[in-house]
Amino acid sequence: GAGVSQSPRYKVAKRGQDVALRCDPISGHVSLFWYQQALGQGPEFLTYFQNEAQLDKSGLPSDRFFAERPEGSVSTLKIQRTQQEDSAVYLCASSLEGAGNTIYFGEGSWLTVV
Amino acid sequence: AQSVAQPEDQVNVAEGNPLTVKCTYSVSGNPYLFWYVQYPNRGLQFLLKYITGDNLVKGSYGFEAEFNKSQTSFHLKKPSALVSDSALYFCAVSRGSYIPTFGRGTSLIVHP
Repeated sequence: GAGVSQSPRYKVAKRGQDVALRCDPISGHVSLFWYQQALGQGPEFLTYFQNEAQLDKSGLPSDRFFAERPEGSVSTLKIQRTQQEDSAVYLCASSLEGAGNTIYFGEGSWLTVV
Repeated sequence: AQSVAQPEDQVNVAEGNPLTVKCTYSVSGNPYLFWYVQYPNRGLQFLLKYITGDNLVKGSYGFEAEFNKSQTSFHLKKPSALVSDSALYFCAVSRGSYIPTFGRGTSLIVHP
C-alpha cells in the first residue's frame, strides 16, 4: 500500500480484556517496528522485526505484551489482561532493510483502558 | 546506548521569524539523525535525515537541520515560520542497532 496502515485507530478496552492491534507495513519493507507513545512523551521502542524474525523485543514492558509477524508482512501486537497503564498510542513503522533507512509511521492505534 | 535530548519542551516564535528546535545526541560511532513532525491525533511524519556528507540537510516544508559533530547536535531550523508549522517535533538517532531512539519532543507554537 501507499503507507503504513494500522487498525483499529481507536480502541477502548475494559481492564483485564485482551486486545490485538494490527499493522500493515509499506509493501516491500523488510523492517517493522512497534513503538508506544504515552501522552506528552516521545515514542518508546517496543519491538523490531526483520521479515518474520523478531530480532529485538527488549522494549516490551511485560510478558502480557506479545508481537508477531508470521509471514513477514502484516504484524499484530497483542496485549493480554490490559491494565490502565497500557493506555497509550501504539505506533507501527516500517522501512527498507539496513541502518539509516527512513522509517515511516502509521497513524497509530489509540488504546484507552477503563 | 544511544540517546537524544530535546532541551526545550516548548518553543514560541512569531510568524515570519526564523525558528530553531534544538536536539543533542549521544551514540557510539557516527550517527544517523532524523527529524519527525507530529500533528494532533496523527502519526509521525518524516521531515529530514542526516546519514553522511554535507552537514546542512534540507527537508520537507522548507525545514533544514545542521549536523555539528563537535557539539553532538542536530538542530532543526526554518528561515520563516508559518502558523501551520505549529506541531510536535521529534529528533531521533540510530546507529548499528538500526532502531531509532526518539527524544521527548518539542512543542512548536507559531503565533500569528
